[in-house]
Order: sequence, then structure tokens, then C-alpha cells
Amino acid sequence: AQSVTQLDSQVPVFEEAPVELRCNYSSSVSVYLFWYVQYPNQGLQLLLKYLSGSTLVESINGFEAEFNKSQTSFHLRKPSVHISDTAEYFCALETSGSRLTFGEGTQLTVNP
Amino acid sequence: DTGVSQNPRHKITKRGQNVTFRCDPISEHNRLYWYRQTLGQGPEFLTYFQNEAQLEKSRLLSDRFSAERPKGSFSTLEIQRTEQGDSAMYLCASSSRTGETEAFFGQGTRLTVV
Repeated sequence: AQSVTQLDSQVPVFEEAPVELRCNYSSSVSVYLFWYVQYPNQGLQLLLKYLSGSTLVESINGFEAEFNKSQTSFHLRKPSVHISDTAEYFCALETSGSRLTFGEGTQLTVNP
Repeated sequence: DTGVSQNPRHKITKRGQNVTFRCDPISEHNRLYWYRQTLGQGPEFLTYFQNEAQLEKSRLLSDRFSAERPKGSFSTLEIQRTEQGDSAMYLCASSSRTGETEAFFGQGTRLTVV
């Protein structure tokens, strides 16, 4: 069975501070890893994904995540956050069958 | 085509009533998924279709739940004899191939059972 654990349910930070949202996964087979973002009363939007190749993946709005197979982690980082980054962030994995298994989410709140 | 469309956005129903939700995927996508998200939780997989074939169903999908995707286009999710525990956001997503492209999500249908 596969599982995803997001280690922090809430992360409050000040604007322009760095942030790290932690994600660990468990799987006995190879996985694809994703970070999704969800704004209030909205669906999920893909932020970034790791399929293969370089273990460091980046999004267009400054987030990055690093796939670490030995530590089974896929932490999300941003060096300087904005108020508009306030949202719920979900880490997810995909294995055979193409369905996603999600973590419980991390609420990122950026304060002025 | 601007994305995955779900209707209605909100549904309030009385316990015991039947409800049906509709999902229109991105037109060229052959895979369609349903997830359920309760407050404070991540989405949980319910079922998925490849074209018109329902290939997997979660144990969360009790006998009161049924999903269809006639002709491999839109999909419906019906809940019969709704219970208060069915209150959740129901999310639909579509994708074209496993691991090659992302799953695109609709904005969801929020169900409240009173």
C-alpha cells in the first residue's frame, strides 16, 4: 500500500520569509510525485511534478521540490513567499493504475 | 474547452434523497477520476474510468454510490439515500495518459446533507 504523510498541518510565515512544506511517502514500487495547491472553494491546481530525471523540480512561481529517494521525501520550498501564496498545499503520489494518493494537506498562511 | 467542468457547484439535500453530479472532462482526455474531500483532509480516490470502462473502485464507494461514463465522454456520480456522512466536496479530474501528463481537476461539487 502507498501512503503520503505531510508533517505539518499548518505553517504560518511572514511575507518574504522562506518556507518549507514537508512531505514523506511510502511505496514499495516506483512513484511519481506531485504538489497541488488549493485555494478556498476551488479545485486543485498542479504546482509541480517529479516523474523522472533531475531530482530538483521547479514551478513557474518560484516553488521548488526535491525528490529524495533514500529519505522517501519530496519537500516543497520557496525562498521568499508572498501573501498570494496563502493556500492549502497537497503532496500526492501516483503508482500503477494512475490514481493519486494524497496527503492530508498543509495550510500555508502568509502574514504581512 | 477551458478545463474540467462540474455541475452543480453546490448541492444541499435532505437525508435520504438521491443526488447526481455531472463532470465534463477535457475533451481529448480518456481518463476520468472521482475523488471525495472532507473538511481538513486530502482528496480520497473513489473511482476512475478509461474511456467508458470503469477500471477501479475504492472500498469507499459503497453500494449507494454509482458512477457512469457513457460513451467515454461526461461522467455522472449518483448517491442514493444520502446520509450526513456523505457531506463533502466531490472532485472530478481528467488526464490523457498515466504519468505523462498531470490530472486536471474541476472546481468540485460541494454536497451538504441536512
